[in-house]
Amino acid sequence: GAGVSQSPSNKVTEKGKDVELRCDPISGHTALYWYRQSLGQGLEFLIYFQGNSAPDKSGLPSDRFSAERTGGSVSTLTIQRTQQEDSAVYLCASSPSQGRREKLFFGSGTQLSVL
Amino acid sequence: AQTVTQSQPEMSVQEAETVTLSCTYDTSENNYYLFWYKQPPSRQMILVIRQEAYKQQNATENRFSVNFQKAAKSFSLKISDSQLGDTAMYFCAFRGGGGADGLTFGKGTHLIIQP
Repeated sequence: GAGVSQSPSNKVTEKGKDVELRCDPISGHTALYWYRQSLGQGLEFLIYFQGNSAPDKSGLPSDRFSAERTGGSVSTLTIQRTQQEDSAVYLCASSPSQGRREKLFFGSGTQLSVL
Repeated sequence: AQTVTQSQPEMSVQEAETVTLSCTYDTSENNYYLFWYKQPPSRQMILVIRQEAYKQQNATENRFSVNFQKAAKSFSLKISDSQLGDTAMYFCAFRGGGGADGLTFGKGTHLIIQP
């Protein structure tokens, strides 16, 4: 596709359920990032993938959060046993490489609401 | 670790006025990049402008320019002839070395352009 695609756009779930959020990066981009944006807050780093290297998981808030990137392309962020504090917009971004000069290309995010 | 501070949670100006958004950062690095990203209500963040730390000349992109003061670690964004479409959240970002691919975002400034 022409840009970073995220699905679903909105997700409402019940406390305790598992959710999967999907990110399709721009073709050929080796770097992929997940961020969380709580209401009125900035971007909280969650996880970063670069090529075939081991992902940087240092931002994942708890072991309920995990992410995979299959074949160096599509990524899935999974939240198990969701809690109300998990409600936020989850943004995915990709970048052609990991160079410091590179800008990030963002998707439109998934708005997650945990009831 | 790097920190990025945006001290103005919200600003409001009249259409056609000039507005300046402030950003300060803290780092011990010498080789880094600074970015301003815009997030409209559609949620998709887009790059507004980018500055290399080793360049003294301030970056300019049409109506957007920066005032980069390296010694003061200040990186403000000036929007001239503001337009209604400039209404958005604006995030300042630092990219150097370190974890999370060296990316750190500020908490954002909500800019409102009044007709």
